[in-house]
Amino acid sequence: AQSVTQLDSQVPVFEEAPVELRCNYSSSVSVYLFWYVQYPNQGLQLLLKYLSGSTLVKGINGFEAEFNKSQTSFHLRKPSVHISDTAEYFCAVTKTSYDKVIFGPGTSLSVIP
Amino acid sequence: DVKVTQSSRYLVKRTGEKVFLECVQDMDHENMFWYRQDPGLGLRLIYFSYDVKMKEKGDIPEGYSVSREKKERFSLILESASTNQTSMYLCANSDRALGEQYFGPGTRLTVT
Repeated sequence: AQSVTQLDSQVPVFEEAPVELRCNYSSSVSVYLFWYVQYPNQGLQLLLKYLSGSTLVKGINGFEAEFNKSQTSFHLRKPSVHISDTAEYFCAVTKTSYDKVIFGPGTSLSVIP
Repeated sequence: DVKVTQSSRYLVKRTGEKVFLECVQDMDHENMFWYRQDPGLGLRLIYFSYDVKMKEKGDIPEGYSVSREKKERFSLILESASTNQTSMYLCANSDRALGEQYFGPGTRLTVT
């Protein structure tokens, strides 16, 4: 069975500092990987996704993630965060577009002025 | 602008009541999903549907049922609400080809 681990439940970071949110998954087959963001009192929206091809994926709002098959990781990075990046971030995995999507428990990013 | 709408943002119900949560999408997507979101647990899949009148159990279907009579509408039903069903409920839909999910704003349900 697939599972997703987000090791950090809360990440505080100062404004304009870099940030990395970690995601590891377990699967014995090829997967599709996603990062979603949830701003306060809103639903989730897609930040970026990896389906195939280049392992470095760029998303919205300056975020990027790198797929590492050998380490089964898909860490999210941003070189300089803004106050507006304060939100909950979810990593997700699915085997195919027809399959259920498994979400991680989420990482709460707090950007400190 | 594409939309996924949920019937209520906040809802308070009493134990034992029958509760209907409705989700409507204007994206013409085949797949629709209901999740509940609880702190520290992330999103857990309750039910999903790949087509009209079709439904599949997710990871936590107990105490819930669903209805999908039209492609754009997917309803979640709590047959007899209990306090442990107090949660945030999120509806989503996806395009089968790409897998990306589109979420509604959520319904925060409190059962007293």
